[in-house]
Amino acid sequence: ILNVEQSPQSLHVQEGDSTNFTCSFPSSNFYALHWYRWETAKSPEALFVMTLNGDEKKKGRISATLNTKEGYSYLYIKGSQPEDSATYLCASRRYGGSQGNLIFGKGTKLSVKP
Amino acid sequence: DADVTQTPRNRITKTGKRIMLECSQTKGHDRMYWYRQDPGLGLRLIYYSFDVKDINKGEISDGYSVSRQAQAKFSLSLESAIPNQTALYFCATSEYGTDGYTFGSGTRLTVV
Repeated sequence: ILNVEQSPQSLHVQEGDSTNFTCSFPSSNFYALHWYRWETAKSPEALFVMTLNGDEKKKGRISATLNTKEGYSYLYIKGSQPEDSATYLCASRRYGGSQGNLIFGKGTKLSVKP
Repeated sequence: DADVTQTPRNRITKTGKRIMLECSQTKGHDRMYWYRQDPGLGLRLIYYSFDVKDINKGEISDGYSVSRQAQAKFSLSLESAIPNQTALYFCATSEYGTDGYTFGSGTRLTVV
């Protein structure tokens, strides 16, 4: 995989449901994996930056895991709330080539119904 | 005040016109970036700069130019705007290393 792929494209859940999304990225020359939360009409905000295989990060009800050997990361939201509705972006950076090139996926759009 | 400020927020311009989008930051970050967002596509890198004397082309630099006037300012120019440059443009900053990016609020550009 040379691109960053996110699935699903969109997700509709009820308030209180727990959910997760997947980010697949190139495993070769891995440097870092970013997760961002992007609310409508706002700018993307950094959630996590992960660098080590097996890394787990947590912020409140949101957590993420990282597998650099197989090239995937999961983002989990426990007990979804309407304010969690947003597009969640992941982005991968690799060693070598253009150091400035953080490659973004297309995002997973989450809608949480009250 | 926002850490990363983009002006204008919205702009409609005509085909063939030159337009400049401006970005300023108070984060003190050395690294600055310009991305564009199109519906159904991920954020794509146009240009980036690691310091005042460093400018690099990104994935989709054709039709664009940039100027890093100071550590805090990074502007993007469309020399002769065309309709397929209609998009949402984001400026972002970062520190060296593995910190996340700080994004501006975006400029919605429409070329008619």
